[in-house]
Amino acid sequence: QQPVQSPQAVILREGEDAVINCSSSKALYSVHWYRQKHGEAPVFLMILLKGGEQKGHDKISASFNEKKQQSSLYLTASQLSYSGTYFCGTEEENSGGSNYKLTFGKGTLLTVNP
Amino acid sequence: DTAVSQTPKYLVTQMGNDKSIKCEQNLGHDTMYWYKQDSKKFLKIMFSYNNKELIINETVPNRFSPKSPDKAHLNLHINSLELGDSAVYFCASSQLPTYEQYFGPGTRLTVT
Repeated sequence: QQPVQSPQAVILREGEDAVINCSSSKALYSVHWYRQKHGEAPVFLMILLKGGEQKGHDKISASFNEKKQQSSLYLTASQLSYSGTYFCGTEEENSGGSNYKLTFGKGTLLTVNP
Repeated sequence: DTAVSQTPKYLVTQMGNDKSIKCEQNLGHDTMYWYKQDSKKFLKIMFSYNNKELIINETVPNRFSPKSPDKAHLNLHINSLELGDSAVYFCASSQLPTYEQYFGPGTRLTVT
């Protein structure tokens, strides 16, 4: 089941913050976040496992609420290099484990302007 | 050193032809994938192999056939190409199924 991402697109000025949301109608084992710049391959950002953890990496962090089947990606003090399409990928739970399949959302296009 | 490489980078061909895309990873990973990204940027899993064994086979036409000769290689053969097959095809690999995935640069397939 494809997760739903919101918003579809967001435009920021350098230094502003953004939140990208990802939600699923299925019980999740994990949520993955990737960024893809135009004409390039997707690049891994982080994985969040069920357990409601939060992760951070520089000024990009994420949370995962397994009860709500939702994850959010937080970008603070955005930089020009943050521009790109952000994809969440969800791994559904299967008998307490994973179904070993990553299903990506439609992506959120983030544009950071000077 | 390129971690995940694909050849060719671009492929332009006519409807009805058969073509192959090759993928190699030098990361020592056990799992490899093929994804299709359409013009709307929708990234969809097609196949996944773990230790040369097919573990995910999504609802993909039979014209698409993956082959994994060894853990470092995963090729995609497409028969009787159709206009709707035009897309960017990405190969990826990870240490274990659905761990952090490393994507290749993509192969842009255009069917005319």
